[in-house]
Amino acid sequence: GAVVSQHPSWVICKSGTSVKIECRSLDFQATTMFWYRQFPKQSLMLMATSNEGSKATYEQGVEKDKFLINHASLTLSTLTVTSAHPEDSSFYICSANTGGSGELFFGEGSRLTVL
Amino acid sequence: AQSVTQPDIHITVSEGASLELRCNYSYGATPYLFWYVQSPGQGLQLLLKYFSGDTLVQGIKGFEAEFKRSQSSFNLRKPSVHWSDAAEYFCAVVRGAGTALIFGKGTTLSVSS
Repeated sequence: GAVVSQHPSWVICKSGTSVKIECRSLDFQATTMFWYRQFPKQSLMLMATSNEGSKATYEQGVEKDKFLINHASLTLSTLTVTSAHPEDSSFYICSANTGGSGELFFGEGSRLTVL
Repeated sequence: AQSVTQPDIHITVSEGASLELRCNYSYGATPYLFWYVQSPGQGLQLLLKYFSGDTLVQGIKGFEAEFKRSQSSFNLRKPSVHWSDAAEYFCAVVRGAGTALIFGKGTTLSVSS
C-alpha cells in the first residue's frame, strides 16, 4: 500500500513556542491530506482537510490561527502548532488518499508534549 | 451527517475464544467502511475495508467483517483471539468520495489468559 510518513514522531517543547509537524506521501501524490488529533484513550478527531495549493478547510471548533496547515506540494503537508500550550499536547496523525478508492493511508503519528 | 457508533467501550475475551466487535453507521448512500487497529502509542493499521460487492470481507490477521445494510452494521469478527490482538479497534466511514474518514469512539479489546 501507499506510504505516508510523519516527522517528528515525538516532540517536546516549551509553552509558548511553535512546533511544525510534517506529513509526506512517499510513493504517491496526494492532492488532499487530512489532519487528525487524538487525545489519550479517545478516538481520532478530524481537525482539517489540507488541499494542495489552497487554504485548508478546518472543522468546526478548530482554531485555524492556532493550527496552521500548509500543503505546498503534492507530497508534503505541514501542521504548525503556534504558541503551544500544555492543552495542545496530543497525538497528531495525518492521512492521505491516492484519489481513487477512498481508502486513506495514515502516518505513524506525532506525539506532542508541551511543558 | 455521517456517523459511526461503536456501542462497546471495552471488551474482554479469553484467549482462543471468538470475538465480535460491533459497529453501526449512519450514511445515506452506500458507505465505504473500514476497521483499523491501534496498539498503544502507535499509528493505525488497516484491518479490512468494504466498498461494494461481497458483504463478507476478509482482512489481515484472521479478521473478517460483514456488511449488513438492513441493520446499518459492519461488525468485526475473529474466530479465535490471540493475546497479541489486545488493542484499540476503530470503525470508520468515509464522509464522501475522496474525503476524510469519520471514526467511531473505539473499542478497547483486552485478552485474558
